[in-house]
Amino acid sequence: GIQVEQSPPDLILQEGANSTLRCNFSDSVNNLQWFHQNPWGQLINLFYIPSGTKQNGRLSATTVATERYSLLYISSSQTTDSGVYFCAVGNTGTASKLTFGTGTRLQVTL
Amino acid sequence: DAGVTQSPTHLIKTRGQHVTLRCSPISGHKSVSWYQQVLGQGPQFIFQYYEKEERGRGNFPDRFSARQFPNYSSELNVNALLLGDSALYLCASSLGGQEEKLFFGSGTQLSVL
Repeated sequence: GIQVEQSPPDLILQEGANSTLRCNFSDSVNNLQWFHQNPWGQLINLFYIPSGTKQNGRLSATTVATERYSLLYISSSQTTDSGVYFCAVGNTGTASKLTFGTGTRLQVTL
Repeated sequence: DAGVTQSPTHLIKTRGQHVTLRCSPISGHKSVSWYQQVLGQGPQFIFQYYEKEERGRGNFPDRFSARQFPNYSSELNVNALLLGDSALYLCASSLGGQEEKLFFGSGTQLSVL
């Protein structure tokens, strides 16, 4: 099956700093989504982005499908950004069948 | 509007028992999928149901089964529980169209003793 690698595995930032999270995948995909899992376990959908670039407030994401990677940018980080960020990809006819990466654990400190 | 709701939030069972987890999708969403998340890992796909039919199944044993009802709510059943079934079980709903953006519920934390 498709392999999904995320880097870095852990990240500690001071409030206000910017960061870039990376997701590499081993095969072509027709579905790529970024999620934030907060400390209470809730998974929040940040982006549906199988290709191209999207922005939502302080967050933006870019997927270069031909080179099999996606980037999530967090600017002016806040303590509420803490949690685990997952990249999830799909390439089958089962549209909701996503393969998740192992995540990037982000801690934002004051 | 209500998001994806799951019940119960927590559950403790013993080995060999069976469990039923429930999920109500976002209003208007016709697709429900189930994921298992073991501590420290990303979620793993178990099932997808769309319009009451199974659309996909992950690499899980036959002890795991699910169904979707006419109102699009869903149940996940696990028989003959094992210690390794202890995990957070997540339900996600989506419209069921081409852009399958998933919206997750808060999950059911299952502990098997």
